[in-house]
Amino acid sequence: GAGVSQSPRYKVAKRGQDVALRCDPISGHVSLFWYQQALGQGPEFLTYFQNEAQLDKSGLPSDRFFAERPEGSVSTLKIQRTQQEDSAVYLCASSFSGTDIYGYTFGSGTRLTVV
Amino acid sequence: AQRVTQPEKLLSVFKGAPVELKCNYSYSGSPELFWYVQYSRQRLQLLLRHISRESIKGFTADLNKGETSFHLKKPFAQEEDSAMYYCALSETGGYQKVTFGTGTKLQVIP
Repeated sequence: GAGVSQSPRYKVAKRGQDVALRCDPISGHVSLFWYQQALGQGPEFLTYFQNEAQLDKSGLPSDRFFAERPEGSVSTLKIQRTQQEDSAVYLCASSFSGTDIYGYTFGSGTRLTVV
Repeated sequence: AQRVTQPEKLLSVFKGAPVELKCNYSYSGSPELFWYVQYSRQRLQLLLRHISRESIKGFTADLNKGETSFHLKKPFAQEEDSAMYYCALSETGGYQKVTFGTGTKLQVIP
């Protein structure tokens, strides 16, 4: 596609519910990143994929968070047993390579609200 | 650990006035610095990066390693510059995991 596509755009989950957020990167982009942006804050790194390999998951806040990119294209961020503190915008970004001179291309994000 | 500080949450300037958005960083190595911008209802997008040494939409930013700063400047603000601006840092090379500041909202008053 022409850009990074994320779905759903908005998600309301009851506390304790599991959610899955999807990211379709730009075709051919090797690198894929997930970020979490809480209200009034800048994006914070969650995890990084190079093709299907998850090379860095140091930013995942707890073992309730899990990300995958099984075929090196679409990625899913899963949050189990959601808590109110998980409420945030989840951003996906991709780049042709880790050293892309054009920087990341971001998706529009998924706004997760846990009630 | 790498850290980016943007001291101003909101900066209001009149149209035609100079703009300076402040950014300071801490990083033990040799970082790469960026400014990202998010216009209303749009995606976060790269504005400029220090290694390019270019002016984008009239904005420039100079990396000052002595002061560990990367302030964003524009001599004459335009209404269309109103947006959220994020300063960001990554390691040179590698896969460029980026650390963002908390952002400054620039409001240009007509």
